[in-house]
Amino acid sequence: GESVGLHLPTLSVQEGDNSIINCAYSNSASDYFIWYKQESGKGPQFIIDIRSNMDKRQGQRVTVLLNKTVKHLSLQIAATQPGDSAVYFCAETGFTGTASKLTFGTGTRLQVTL
Amino acid sequence: ETGVTQSPTHLIKTRGQQVTLRCSSQSGHNTVSWYQQALGQGPQFIFQYYREEENGRGNFPPRFSGLQFPNYSSELNVNALELDDSALYLCASSQTSGRSHEQFFGPGTRLTVL
Repeated sequence: GESVGLHLPTLSVQEGDNSIINCAYSNSASDYFIWYKQESGKGPQFIIDIRSNMDKRQGQRVTVLLNKTVKHLSLQIAATQPGDSAVYFCAETGFTGTASKLTFGTGTRLQVTL
Repeated sequence: ETGVTQSPTHLIKTRGQQVTLRCSSQSGHNTVSWYQQALGQGPQFIFQYYREEENGRGNFPPRFSGLQFPNYSSELNVNALELDDSALYLCASSQTSGRSHEQFFGPGTRLTVL
């Protein structure tokens, strides 16, 4: 079945270092892959997405890499800041009926230490 | 902030009761999706509403039902509550039903079933 999973449940990095969060996916038919940030008590917040025909996309301090050969997705955060502490989810698009839905992984908690 | 609002923010019910959760979509968005997020897990797709009709459903029983109104706001109803229904319920809106990669999430309603 469809699944999106993450390799590491918790990642601890020092402020100023770069962070890399990984994700494995199984649905090769997904059109988009998305990274969300979720802070305690809040809903998921969109960070960046990448279309399935791309390998890399950059945003402000973030880069998403897509390796379709091994079905792997990663999020790189440059110069990690305390405000980056949160749970990060990868998600992939798919369809149920005519509804376009998101399938999420279980999340990685990013802890930024001073 | 995404412009998606949900009410109430917290709710406590007992097993067997019924609950109604509400969502107002972002301006210009005609599609609303509902997700259930159990503690420590990623959100799971419940169903989506487009043009006041359900157009796709995840693996949730019929006691999970919904409505969408002409102003595109939506309700999620859960009958015969079970302990496992305790979760954060997220609403997400998008411009149309085929653009899940552009869904914007509300802050969620935390439901506790005792």
